[in-house]
Parts: sequence; C-alpha cells; structure tokens
Amino acid sequence: ETGVTQTPRHLVMGMTNKKSLKCEQHLGHNAMYWYKQSAKKPLELMFVYNFKEQTENNSVPSRFSPECPNSSHLFLHLHTLQPEDSALYLCASSQEGTSGNTGELFFGEGSRLTVL
Amino acid sequence: AQSVTQPDIHITVSEGASLELRCNYSYGATPYLFWYVQSPGQGLQLLLKYFSGDTLVQGIKGFEAEFKRSQSSFNLRKPSVHWSDAAEYFCAVVIFGNEKLTFGTGTRLTIIP
Repeated sequence: ETGVTQTPRHLVMGMTNKKSLKCEQHLGHNAMYWYKQSAKKPLELMFVYNFKEQTENNSVPSRFSPECPNSSHLFLHLHTLQPEDSALYLCASSQEGTSGNTGELFFGEGSRLTVL
Repeated sequence: AQSVTQPDIHITVSEGASLELRCNYSYGATPYLFWYVQSPGQGLQLLLKYFSGDTLVQGIKGFEAEFKRSQSSFNLRKPSVHWSDAAEYFCAVVIFGNEKLTFGTGTRLTIIP
C-alpha cells in the first residue's frame, strides 16, 4: 500500500457509542493531522502530531481523543458524540522541517461519520 | 488573522472551455499559497504551490496559478477543462513562521458536455 489509508470509510454510531478512526501513512513522514470537513465550512484542523508528539489541539472537545503510537499511525477515539459531529474526518501526513515542503499535505480518503 | 476567500461556491463550465477559480487572501505578509483538489469520495490532493520566485506556477493535470501581490490573489486557471476535472477546489495559505495551513471554503466545479 502507498499513501495515507483511513479506516473505516464509513461509520454510523449512536451518541452513547465508543468508536475509533484509524489512519496509517506509508510515506515515511514525521507529521500527521486530523481535519474535520463539514458541509459549507472550511476544513477545520483538529490535531497535529510531530514526531508522535501532539503539537496542536485546536480547541477540540474532549469527546474527541487522538492517539499517535508511532509516526506511521494515528487514531481518533470517539465517545459520546453529538449529531453535529457528523462530518468527513480527514487524516493527512507531511514531512515537516524540510524546506520547500511546508504546507504540502498528503490526505487520506476520509472517514464519513454519521452520529444518530 | 489570516484568511482565505473563495468567492465562488459553485462554477459550471462546458467541457473544453477555459476555467478560472478565484482565491484571495488577507494578511500583511506574503504567504505560501496552495491549491488542492478533492474529487468525489476522495481526500485532497495538492495541485500546485507558490513559495517565491516566478509568480506563474505550473501544477499537475494542466493547471496553473498566478500570484498577484497587488490584488492579494492566487487564481487557478486551466485553458481547457476535461470532464474528469469535476471536483471541489480549495485554496490554502501558510504564513511564514506559522506553518498552519488555512483553507478556503472551496469552489465546486461542475463540467457539462
């Protein structure tokens, strides 16, 4: 496999469920990101990990909990979500610290989440 | 705060026609500028980027963009669109020294025969 892989592609969950989104990158990058994409809104950066350390938490509610066990894997643990959390969740990776690569993100295909 | 504006929510063009998608940014310094494309059911893919130098940059899939400092714009162009270009296009900026990517709201492109 190459690139950035996200699973599951689709997820339907109730507000009391606990689920996780998984992201894996095969590009050897050192930074990984979670973005939320809702209809008619700009992409919202949620979390950033550099070298497995969280460097950004963009005021995300605690019902979203990220985990980055190594530089190739990123999880987003979900619990007690609200219907307004329904969105496409995109994972991305990049090679930070290299001149000329700033802002160049490689995205997965996303996990479409529906909260009932 | 930095911001990116894509004034056109939805554009429809005929196959073979030329295309221009608008992007304006708001910031005092010159940012790094990007265009990403998102095909249906897919993630975003980088089309092209501008850091410095020649203000006309070439990207993949036959796209180009021109940075105009006086207009704070970075419009995306293609001389002849193909049906496969139907997608959502996002302009994005990074301010030097603050490497967080800020996206516009996107422009959805529809191609008609």
